[in-house]
Parts: sequence; C-alpha cells; structure tokens
Amino acid sequence: DSGVTQTPKHLITATGQRVTLRCSPRSGDLSVYWYQQSLDQGLQFLIQYYNGEERAKGNILERFSAQQFPDLHSELNLSSLELGDSALYFCASSPRTSGNQFFGPGTRLTVL
Amino acid sequence: QQQVKQSPQSLIVQKGGISIINCAYENTAFDYFPWYQQFPGKGPALLIAIRPDVSEKKEGRFTISFNKSAKQFSLHIMDSQPGDSATYFCAAAYSNSGYALNFGKGTSLLVTP
Repeated sequence: DSGVTQTPKHLITATGQRVTLRCSPRSGDLSVYWYQQSLDQGLQFLIQYYNGEERAKGNILERFSAQQFPDLHSELNLSSLELGDSALYFCASSPRTSGNQFFGPGTRLTVL
Repeated sequence: QQQVKQSPQSLIVQKGGISIINCAYENTAFDYFPWYQQFPGKGPALLIAIRPDVSEKKEGRFTISFNKSAKQFSLHIMDSQPGDSATYFCAAAYSNSGYALNFGKGTSLLVTP
C-alpha cells in the first residue's frame, strides 16, 4: 500500500458526461501528479500540482482540468467525455517535486 | 511522440535466469531514470532509479546499467523469480519539468517455474 488513495475505484458513465476523480496524497507529500494509462497510449503524464499551484502540464486535453486544495488532496475533472477517454487514471504523490513518486491504485473510467 | 522507447514488449524467462529490459531516449535534458514495476490491478511502484552521472546501480537482484553516450539504459533482474512476473516500465524525467515521468510502453515479464 503506497499510502495514496483514489476514489472511486471504478466509474462507468456515458459520452458527453462530466466526472470528478479524487486523490489523497501520502501524509506530508506536497506534490501530486496525474497520469492516464490506456492500452494504445501507455502511461502518459497529464498534470502536476505542488502545494496548491500548477507546476507542470503534459498531454492534458482542454476538456480536462485539475486542482489541488489547501488540504493537498487533488481532483481531476473530465468533461464532455468521449469513448476514447476510457482508461485508468492514476494519481501519484511525492514529498516535493521528485521522480520518486508513489502511485495510488487508480480509477478505472469506462465511457459508454 | 514517445520520448522513451522500451523493448522487448514481452519476455519469458525461466526461474533463476536473467531478465534484461532495454530503453532508449533522445532528450539529453533528462536527468533521472527510474524503473517502475506494476502488478495487475495495482499502480506502478518504484523499483530502482539512476542519475546520468553513474553508469551502474545495483539494489539486491536489480541492476540498472546506464550508457550516457548511447542514450540507453537497461534493467537486469538476476536470479529471476515467479514473483517478479509483472509489467516493467522505464521512465525518464528532468527537474525543469517538475520530474513529470515520461514512460516507455512497458515490458510484460513472465518468469516460469
């Protein structure tokens, strides 16, 4: 157990809908990273927050957004969902900005 | 585009054998090269990592070899065990990007008894 929690574990929704994925980092970790894992694209970095501020942005679609709250938990918002958004979404945390990241168990999103 | 290329896609090794997975990168700004291990239904977990000022790093049965001039690095698993059966990802990152990980496509390793 990495100490990173993600909810929900599974999410099934329809095209055009909006969902929110939640991540609680390990106690004391200031940095949160979001990654998407799919069969065709593999593991791709989406966005990073450090102590409430956006720090780095990857291949994140404009329909996706994220934020990190004062208690350091983070939410990833996905809107106008398409079939191709079906994937595993992982959150990872680290004490500061670091390559040594602790991954949560993921949220499996299925868009029907 | 894929910034880190990983091979092979899958690997079958007998128990006690050596598993070798290779990765290559292009961006010379990368300064951190970790390997992650992922079991089905779990998130990736850091296995071992290396920085480019070192050519080799060993932790138990796991060794990273790093060739800066060739822009290649590899993972060696000595005395492979059935419990090592998992998917392995190499990655590369650099400090100016907040250490966002650029992952290879992964290698599915099966260690047979």
